Amino acid sequence: DTEVTQTPKHLVMGMTNKKSLKCEQHMGHRAMYWYKQKAKKPPELMFVYSYEKLSINESVPSRFSPECPNSSLLNLHLHALQPEDSALYLCASRLNKAGTYEQYFGPGTRLTVT
Amino acid sequence: RKEVEQDPGPFNVPEGATVAFNCTYSNSASQSFFWYRQDCRKEPKLLMSVYSSGNEDGRFTAQLNRASQYISLLIRDSKLSDSATYLCVVADAGNMLTFGGGTRLMVKP
Repeated sequence: DTEVTQTPKHLVMGMTNKKSLKCEQHMGHRAMYWYKQKAKKPPELMFVYSYEKLSINESVPSRFSPECPNSSLLNLHLHALQPEDSALYLCASRLNKAGTYEQYFGPGTRLTVT
Repeated sequence: RKEVEQDPGPFNVPEGATVAFNCTYSNSASQSFFWYRQDCRKEPKLLMSVYSSGNEDGRFTAQLNRASQYISLLIRDSKLSDSATYLCVVADAGNMLTFGGGTRLMVKP
């Protein structure tokens, strides 16, 4: 089973709202990722968590705040977003074992900022 | 120069055709190579890993040429359901993925 789940599937929020995206996997993967994908573009890496610790932040604005409460869950807290932040937000996970590079993606949250 | 380059297409082919996609990467220290498939408004799904010895999975064959820094994907007997965007993806030693821009395939009846 290579399932990563994400909620909600769709989210519409205003620029003053606070919302959270959630990601869950039960594959025992210890590396988890947030990506942002705009239409007709490849995914862009935002954050990497390794063993529940933030290891990479790709210079993402502070209005995006990641959190990894445990080895199965990854959240992305959103606050004061801009319309240009509208995109598909993808979570991915990887086994985090030496020599294992495959990442498995969740279905994504399609975010619209109004 | 993009780190992973692909022809964006679209490749328009009839059902039953054989189609090949190519990809080049710039980082000679890259460790692992993949093809992902992405349907419209869906997530990327791992299609197959790519090995230097070449590997086959049903109608799909992937090849890697490390010397030329070149990756290919061959799809035989194309089906309508193969219509999608195919992403060439390269992993570095730090387990970071670099995505190509994707090649769009449209299989017509």
